[in-house]
Amino acid sequence: KQEVTQIPAALSVPEGENLVLNCSFTDSAIYNLQWFRQDPGKGLTSLLLIQSSQREQTSGRLNASLDKSSGRSTLYIAASQPGDSATYLCAGPPGFSSGSARQLTFGSGTQLTVLP
Amino acid sequence: SAVISQKPSRDICQRGTSLTIQCQVDSQVTMMFWYRQQPGQSLTLIATANQGSEATYESGFVIDKFPISRPNLTFSTLTVSNMSPEDSSIYLCSVEERGQMNTEAFFGQGTRLTVV
Repeated sequence: KQEVTQIPAALSVPEGENLVLNCSFTDSAIYNLQWFRQDPGKGLTSLLLIQSSQREQTSGRLNASLDKSSGRSTLYIAASQPGDSATYLCAGPPGFSSGSARQLTFGSGTQLTVLP
Repeated sequence: SAVISQKPSRDICQRGTSLTIQCQVDSQVTMMFWYRQQPGQSLTLIATANQGSEATYESGFVIDKFPISRPNLTFSTLTVSNMSPEDSSIYLCSVEERGQMNTEAFFGQGTRLTVV
């Protein structure tokens, strides 16, 4: 069974800093990994999806990497802004080559606060 | 990407009552998923709703407590029955989009339920 862990649980940084959020997973046969943003009391917004064949995926100031061999993914946020304050979740499906998102396993999230 | 509308966005309910949450998708999808996020926790899958058949419930969730309807390919409802304060959570609807190489999950904005 896939297990997903996120470190740190909370992070507070001053505006403008670059930061890295970590996600580790136990089943390296993962075929993709998805990063989400969640604002307090709200739903999830998909940020980036990395396929197993990719090592990186970029969207604006966000860059996500995937290292299957080590069971790790990172989300890099450049030049952080107060509007980036939210909880960031990573999620992976079970480790088979095909399947659906139905069995997404979520990490517990990293609560990010960017101070003005 | 799929656009998911969820209603209500929040509600405060009396214990012993029931609440029905609606989820509308802007495209036809085979499966719709219902998640629960308890305070300070990550997401847990409640059930998968398939059009034309009974929903598939995950361990720990039963149909009597969380009846689900799926009348067509763009709509589903989740009812939280006979509510108790322990049911206070964010409930989220999700769909997946399958590409050639990957499957990506999308979420509604969530329903924040408080049971008093």
